[in-house]
Amino acid sequence: DAKTTQPNSMESNEEEPVHLPCNHSTISGTDYIHWYRQLPSQGPEYVIHGLTSNVNNRMASLAIAEDRKSSTLILHRATLRDAAVYYCILRGLNNAGNMLTFGGGTRLMVKP
Amino acid sequence: EAGVTQFPSHSVIEKGQTVTLRCDPISGHDNLYWYRRVMGKEIKFLLHFVKESKQDESGMPNNRFLAERTGGTYSTLKVQPAELEDSGVYFCASSRLAGHEQFFGPGTRLTVL
Repeated sequence: DAKTTQPNSMESNEEEPVHLPCNHSTISGTDYIHWYRQLPSQGPEYVIHGLTSNVNNRMASLAIAEDRKSSTLILHRATLRDAAVYYCILRGLNNAGNMLTFGGGTRLMVKP
Repeated sequence: EAGVTQFPSHSVIEKGQTVTLRCDPISGHDNLYWYRRVMGKEIKFLLHFVKESKQDESGMPNNRFLAERTGGTYSTLKVQPAELEDSGVYFCASSRLAGHEQFFGPGTRLTVL
């Protein structure tokens, strides 16, 4: 699976938007971009995923660059509960895409 | 619907002992995955079941680890004999279809002394 690169940590103020970047310059045409997050003392949880077009759901938005070599997870109004490690993961369509390959992720800290 | 459950939440054993971890996936999810995070490392894939069959066990570290999913419902992961480097958090996840969103359990924290 193609690798992703994320900043180790980011800080945000409560109630403000947060933009979490991810670089995936070696992404293939069939790789989906998935985001998971892990809250303290919990298992990872799915946030959002996309292929080419920007995506929105109740948790976040995903903005995908036109060349697909990078993407940004957007939390529109950060809350204290959003403090977590956010993982950007590429998943292909073959069997290798069935597993999730976690990197180091970005630790998001939210200040009140 | 009930989420993925794991038992026990914590386990402390001595080196050389055996431990069995259990995972109950979400009802109706044919796909079950085991992952683990050992100290200071990233979360790593261990194996993937489709119903009772092992689809991919490429992440299993060695033959001290044995995973089963008899009947295609719950799964167990046995470590025998446990070594110090097996300490970490073991996560189970399930999904309705392979490649779809995976739902994770809270994990089992294993400490080998």
